[in-house]
Amino acid sequence: EAQVTQNPRYLITVTGKKLTVTCSQNMNHEYMSWYRQDPGLGLRQIYYSMNVEVTDKGDVPEGYKVSRKEKRNFPLILESPSPNQTSLYFCASSSQGAGGGYTFGSGTRLTVV
Amino acid sequence: DQQVKQNSPSLSVQEGRISILNCDYTNSMFDYFLWYKKYPAEGPTFLISISSIKDKNEDGRFTVFLNKSAKHLSLHIVPSQPGDSAVYFCAVNQFYFGTGTSLTVIP
Repeated sequence: EAQVTQNPRYLITVTGKKLTVTCSQNMNHEYMSWYRQDPGLGLRQIYYSMNVEVTDKGDVPEGYKVSRKEKRNFPLILESPSPNQTSLYFCASSSQGAGGGYTFGSGTRLTVV
Repeated sequence: DQQVKQNSPSLSVQEGRISILNCDYTNSMFDYFLWYKKYPAEGPTFLISISSIKDKNEDGRFTVFLNKSAKHLSLHIVPSQPGDSAVYFCAVNQFYFGTGTSLTVIP
């Protein structure tokens, strides 16, 4: 089944403790993105990648890192999480760029206390 | 400052009638406009898109209209079905998303 898999689905952590949210897709897509969803703000793009080793900042990249060492994986790294990073995170992938519909993962709900 | 706005947080429609969801954007240079549907506890699902060179695109019960002069995008669902009840997001170039409109289709 074609899908984007994120792990974990839920995570509660403490301020400052480094964490990684994994994202993997099995569709051989070139494009991958990370978004966060917050009440009243919709989805905001954090980082995106157009292919292996090609990444760029989205609208809200501060406090996040990404890497794209393999085509299928696009992990999101929070080096020193803070409470304002408490959010619902989505990873997505597409075979096209701006005009193609993304396939989204099921989301990761992160709480930073 | 929000580049994409969905001014109606919610909409209720009777089953079988038309649902019209609206979206406004700020930048006339945007190329692609997309609609996603989202159920609770799931990721958004791509519905339909339109490029800036067109003014209409249809896919079954879903039609997207683009009015470039007004910087306005709309999604029409005809006929509406209870399974269409979800939150609908418009998006531009996959970069900017609206805040969503919650559609309820009443049987």
